[in-house]
Amino acid sequence: GAGVSQSPSNKVTEKGKDVELRCDPISGHTALYWYRQSLGQGLEFLIYFQGNSAPDKSGLPSDRFSAERTGGSVSTLTIQRTQQEDSAVYLCASSLTRSGANVLTFGAGSRLTVL
Amino acid sequence: AQKITQTQPGMFVQEKEAVTLDCTYDTSDPSYGLFWYKQPSSGEMIFLIYQGSYDQQNATEGRYSLNFQKARKSANLVISASQLGDSAMYFCAMRDRLEIQKLVFGTGTRLLVSP
Repeated sequence: GAGVSQSPSNKVTEKGKDVELRCDPISGHTALYWYRQSLGQGLEFLIYFQGNSAPDKSGLPSDRFSAERTGGSVSTLTIQRTQQEDSAVYLCASSLTRSGANVLTFGAGSRLTVL
Repeated sequence: AQKITQTQPGMFVQEKEAVTLDCTYDTSDPSYGLFWYKQPSSGEMIFLIYQGSYDQQNATEGRYSLNFQKARKSANLVISASQLGDSAMYFCAMRDRLEIQKLVFGTGTRLLVSP
């Protein structure tokens, strides 16, 4: 597609429920990233996928968070047993490769509110 | 590990004036890239400008320029001829060769342009 698409744009859930957030990167982009932005904060790295390599999961805050990328394209971020502190905007980005100068193109984000 | 510091939580500038947003960084790698992103109230992250550590000249993109002072480890963004539409959050970010998959962000500076 022309840009990075994320869905849903807004999600309100109850504490303890599971949520899935979807990211459709730019066609041909081999690198895909998930970031989290809490209210008034910068972006916190969560996970990175590059082609068929094992993902870098070093930023995931707990084992309730997981992500997968199917067929080197669409990615799903899953948060199990959501907590109120999970409320944030979850941003997905993709880039052509992982080389240093490559610019990350971001989606509009999925705003998660846990009640 | 790389680190980005933005010390100005908020900045005010009058329309048509120039403004400088500060960014300092820390890395042990001589090869790195520095990025600036704009985040309007709508939430999307918009790439503005990139500077590579080995670039001989300061990067410029239209009204945006980067005042890159390598010895001081600073990469300040200069916006010339500010416009009302420049009101947004601005994030400085970096990626080095040691952790090339991660783009590390600062906490951001909120810029308000007044008429």
